[in-house]
Order: sequence, then C-alpha cells, then structure tokens
Amino acid sequence: QSMLTQPPSMSAAPGQKVTISCSGSSSNIGKNYVSWYQQLPGTAPKLLIRQTNKRPSGVPDRFSGSKSGTLATLTITGLQTGDEAVYYCGTAHYSLRVFGGGTKLTVL
Amino acid sequence: QIQLMQSGAEVKKPGSSVKVSCKASGGTFSGYTIVWVRQAPGQGLEWMGGVIPTFGSENSAPDLQRRVTFTADESMTTGYMEVSSLTPEDTAVYYCAAEGLAAAFEIWGQGTLVTVSS
Repeated sequence: QSMLTQPPSMSAAPGQKVTISCSGSSSNIGKNYVSWYQQLPGTAPKLLIRQTNKRPSGVPDRFSGSKSGTLATLTITGLQTGDEAVYYCGTAHYSLRVFGGGTKLTVL
Repeated sequence: QIQLMQSGAEVKKPGSSVKVSCKASGGTFSGYTIVWVRQAPGQGLEWMGGVIPTFGSENSAPDLQRRVTFTADESMTTGYMEVSSLTPEDTAVYYCAAEGLAAAFEIWGQGTLVTVSS
C-alpha cells in the first residue's frame, strides 16, 4: 500500500491532454516538493518534473506539474504515442522517500 | 552531468547476500545522495534508502533496515548496496540513482536484476 495514491491506469488519444493525480497527506506532499518520473517499457525511470513544477533540461514543455494542498498533478498536453509509459510521483515523508503506485498511460 | 553504471545481474540462493555497485562516470557523487530503488516484477518503485557519500551517513526504509547496508568509496565515485538474508521476495531490478535537491532522483543507473531462487 503506497503512501501516495495514483490512478492505476489512464488512456487518451494522440493530441489530447491528460492529467495524472497523486494524492498524499500533510506529512508528505502537503509539506514537500513533488517529483514525477517517466518509465518507458523495459527502461529505468527518468526524472520528468522536480520541485513540483520544474522541468529538467531536455524535458519538453508539454509536461507540467502542480500541487494544491496534498494533491499533486502531472499534466501532459499534445499527447504522443511515445508518451506511453508508467508515471510515478515521489516526495519526502519525514526522512524517508515515497513513491506513488504508478499510472500506466496508454495513448490510443 | 554524471552517468551511472551498475554491476551485472546476479542469481542468489535464499539466505545468502548480494552486493550491487553503482559507478559514476564524468564526475563524482559529491553534492548528491546515492539512493537505491527496487522494482519487483510487474510492480512499482520501492525506495530502499541511501547514503550521503560526503558524510557516510545512511538512511533506510524501516522494513529493510535490518538487512540492508549502503556505502560509498572515499573517492565518491562508487556506491554499494548490500542486502542480506535474501528471500525469493527480494527478486527485483535494483536501481541506483543520484538524489539532488528536494528529494529529486535526478540521474538513474540502468538497473541490476537480482534473482533469488533455490
């Protein structure tokens, strides 16, 4: 049972927008920055968003992050077939680090 | 930016230990925490813990604390993770990563498959 709750799966058509949620508590998301990771099939995870809403160099601006209270969201606009992956949120929980269970995004 | 290269796949017997290495190229782990994340087959990511190579201080997930050790060499170019008393439930891909500011795992290794089977 993950401390952070994500929908297990989502799907959308190419070109559309999708928003993936990550629900936590006042002990983790509510007081810390959130990161998002993209894991393409058979590969290691990759940092997509850090400090809740900042994109590392090389990440397209189609990816954006935000947070309100204990809910963080990852928004992907202009969906592409190459965005089909599992997306994980992550944050600190006191001295620990926690991940959401992951959301498998299917681009139809 | 550093790149991380992990040691190769391992097959272990139940009750034994495994040690996985994570070598940085193009720089050192200075300024980072070396963290370890595992992923059981078909499952999500599980943070195991890590070490701050500058200070040698460790931090572990509570349910793994008794069985896992994280270290780094003095040159801060290689990190190690050792898990003891292995069971088949420890079968997973083990990733190292460099944690930077705000608990962001900025750089990842390619993963090491550890299979525990009799």
